[in-house]
Amino acid sequence: QVQLQESGPGLVKPSETLSLTCTVSGGSISSHYWSWIRQPPGKELEWIGYIYYSGSTYYNPSLKSRVTISVDTSKNQFSLKVTSVTAADTAVYYCARSRYTATAPYFDYWGQGTLVTVSS
Amino acid sequence: EMVMTQSPATLSVSPGERATLSCRASQSVSSNLAWYQHKPGQAPRLLIYDASTRATDIPARFSGSGSGTEFTLTISSLQSEDFALYYCQQYNNWPQTFGQGTRVEIK
Repeated sequence: QVQLQESGPGLVKPSETLSLTCTVSGGSISSHYWSWIRQPPGKELEWIGYIYYSGSTYYNPSLKSRVTISVDTSKNQFSLKVTSVTAADTAVYYCARSRYTATAPYFDYWGQGTLVTVSS
Repeated sequence: EMVMTQSPATLSVSPGERATLSCRASQSVSSNLAWYQHKPGQAPRLLIYDASTRATDIPARFSGSGSGTEFTLTISSLQSEDFALYYCQQYNNWPQTFGQGTRVEIK
């Protein structure tokens, strides 16, 4: 059974960079797409972007200028960086395995999520 | 951006009864729709993809239907473990988007 676990600081200061890592266990990170998704308090889930194990990426246009997703296949991990954060970036952040289709992906395995609060 | 609207926001159902959840898309998403179950403190769980295909190990009491703009998730006989939050997600258009969720609670 594939399992995902997010890790990283729970508190980030405004204007700084949010950094999270997702560790995949129970399966290889290879040959799959991997996404980050977030949910601000009281709002809907928002897809942030995905990375293929080879390193190719695709980001939500609404966040593209501030987001970088990277992968480390040797550690079975992928990571998220969001720069210049504001209070609007406060959210529960999820990592998920993406099932790619002819259109866009859906998500068949998720992590439990980690709350990141942006505050001074 | 595609808007997904779920109704009702909260559904109160007695154990053993049927629950019917709705999801509407602002434009056609064909059959490119998934449903997820989310319980507090747990990872969201994929229930249905391609509007009506059950994911691995999902019980037969969960069924999905619909195409275009109107979709339904039916839980035929609610078990105690089914009380949770349910989301729909379209993956027909980029970026993929989610509904705001329906909470199924014990009546």
